[in-house]
Amino acid sequence: AQKVTQAQTEISVVEKEDVTLDCVYETRDTTYYLFWYKQPPSGELVFLIRRNSFDEQNEISGRYSWNFQKSTSSFNFTITASQVVDSAVYFCALNNGANNLFFGTGTRLTVIP
Amino acid sequence: DTEVTQTPKHLVMGMTNKKSLKCEQHMGHRAMYWYKQKAKKPPELMFVYSYEKLSINESVPSRFSPECPNSSLLNLHLHALQPEDSALYLCASSQDQSAGGGYNEQFFGPGTRLTVL
Repeated sequence: AQKVTQAQTEISVVEKEDVTLDCVYETRDTTYYLFWYKQPPSGELVFLIRRNSFDEQNEISGRYSWNFQKSTSSFNFTITASQVVDSAVYFCALNNGANNLFFGTGTRLTVIP
Repeated sequence: DTEVTQTPKHLVMGMTNKKSLKCEQHMGHRAMYWYKQKAKKPPELMFVYSYEKLSINESVPSRFSPECPNSSLLNLHLHALQPEDSALYLCASSQDQSAGGGYNEQFFGPGTRLTVL
């Protein structure tokens, strides 16, 4: 069975602070992919990153960075120097190749100006 | 073109109405999805179409009827809905698992906000 846990329900930070969103997953598959999606108030889910289970290299894209650790089954997401436009709900998700995404419950991030 | 479009953006309907939600993509994706999302919850998978054939139905009530008329279009026909069906309905597409694309990201449309009175 697949399970994705995002223990942080809501986080508030002041603009320009760094913030890390946690994601812990469970799966018995050896091959899987992990994803992060952003859902702003408009409702559309925006794809941010995909990481496969064999690639534990961290990734940085501008102010965003991701830390994947198989040893702890975690795939955490850090936003550096947060901005008001980062305010959204962020979902971590897992795909085991079966045309299906298993979503976590999401973390609502509020960046206060 | 990496866009998934959905119409209408908002829909209000009575419990006796029949309406349809529409979704379109032109990325050549052969897997298309319907999700239902209630407030403050993650999206819940409803249906998956693979090469225009229904491959996953997550025990959705028959008052929701999906249709995939061609590889670019996905419809969701609604009939005799209940107030608890009010939600954001999201469409998504991706490469299909059979083409080795099952691990690929899904691209989502902006959703239809449905209110059932």
